[in-house]
Amino acid sequence: QKEVEQNSGPLSVPEGAIASLNCTYSDRGSQSFFWYRQYSGKSPELIMFIYSNGDKEDGRFTAQLNKASQYVSLLIRDSQPSDSATYLCAVDSGGGADGLTFGKGTHLIIQP
Amino acid sequence: DGGITQSPKYLFRKEGQNVTLSCEQNLNHDAMYWYRQDPGQGLRLIYYSQIVNDFQKGDIAEGYSVSREKKESFPLTVTSAQKNPTAFYLCASSIFGLDTQYFGPGTRLTVL
Repeated sequence: QKEVEQNSGPLSVPEGAIASLNCTYSDRGSQSFFWYRQYSGKSPELIMFIYSNGDKEDGRFTAQLNKASQYVSLLIRDSQPSDSATYLCAVDSGGGADGLTFGKGTHLIIQP
Repeated sequence: DGGITQSPKYLFRKEGQNVTLSCEQNLNHDAMYWYRQDPGQGLRLIYYSQIVNDFQKGDIAEGYSVSREKKESFPLTVTSAQKNPTAFYLCASSIFGLDTQYFGPGTRLTVL
């Protein structure tokens, strides 16, 4: 059974600070890793994806992957109130179009 | 204007009724997926299809059925055999061979 674990939160971060979101996964064969943002009542929106060990930066967002530790994280710099949402970590182990395994999400609150 | 559309946005079902949720995409994506999300939970895969006229069960297929007669369309039927169908249903699609998935706006189903 593939599992993706996230701290449900809420994680409260002051505006302008760095928010750090973490995710661990059980399947060592996992190949692709995704972060989705989901506002309350809305569908998930893709923020970042990462395939290789190390860091990947896109604007204020940085995804970090450590396959040896089976750990992926998302950093949000200069956090804004509009970043307040639930962040879902998703993992693909199949190497193709057979569905993702999602964590339950971390609820992030940016305090003005 | 490319994207994924789902209808209806809200759906109410009486006990014992079958209902069909619509999902259409004009992204020319090969693969399509149905997920279910319960409050405070991650997404769980119901069915997926990588090609027209072919589909596979996901983790929670019992009580659901699908068809894929056209590349653009992947309707989901929630049958009376699904004992707890109240949930947020999300359709997604991806290019075949790539695992990055994009989501439609979702359908919220409530059983009365």
